[in-house]
Amino acid sequence: NAGVTQTPKFQVLKTGQSMTLQCAQDMNHEYMSWYRQDPGMGLRLIHYSVGAGITDQGEVPNGYNVSRSTTEDFPLRLLSAAPSQTSVYFCASSYTTGSDQPQHFGDGTRLSIL
Amino acid sequence: TQLLEQSPQFLSIQEGENLTVYCNSSSVFSSLQWYRQEPGEGPVLLVTVVTGGEVKKLKRLTFQFGDARKDSSLHITAAQPGDTGLYLCASAGGTSYGKLTFGQGTILTVHP
Repeated sequence: NAGVTQTPKFQVLKTGQSMTLQCAQDMNHEYMSWYRQDPGMGLRLIHYSVGAGITDQGEVPNGYNVSRSTTEDFPLRLLSAAPSQTSVYFCASSYTTGSDQPQHFGDGTRLSIL
Repeated sequence: TQLLEQSPQFLSIQEGENLTVYCNSSSVFSSLQWYRQEPGEGPVLLVTVVTGGEVKKLKRLTFQFGDARKDSSLHITAAQPGDTGLYLCASAGGTSYGKLTFGQGTILTVHP
């Protein structure tokens, strides 16, 4: 059982480049989300989706786009990379949207913007 | 957005010692989760507490939820090097969506 799969694991970009971070889950989970993790700041929510075709902004959405065309996939797109977006990005999913639902995380994408 | 204050930020202890990590908020939690994260991996859920005053045990780990549901603690008895990691508390506040807010985390190092 793969769970939540993120690709790539590492990426280096130049300022201004765009790229897409991939996230796929094979658990038929309704809810998917993207977080970024920076030292001393825990995880901060970027965007989330409560089902295919539905997305919404989290705490730090600027500079990022998402789409949810299928239940399984939830890609995160950086439009024009900036050094402030250097971070570790985690995708998570849960079966439903309840506040007590356990979140299943991928292993992260480590992104450096030069 | 509900703010979660987690303390301490760093803990460095010897094997066999006990420790407690705290998670506090000025707002009431609808529920609270504790996660553990190892280097190079994503967080993994340890426990969810829902009811005020609730106590849950997971082997040497004891989780408490405050009576007023505004604070929680994680206590580890007789810590082992395998307990080393980042411990995170998280809550969705009063929302029904899983829009988790995380504390800053506690980096625990247990020395043999």
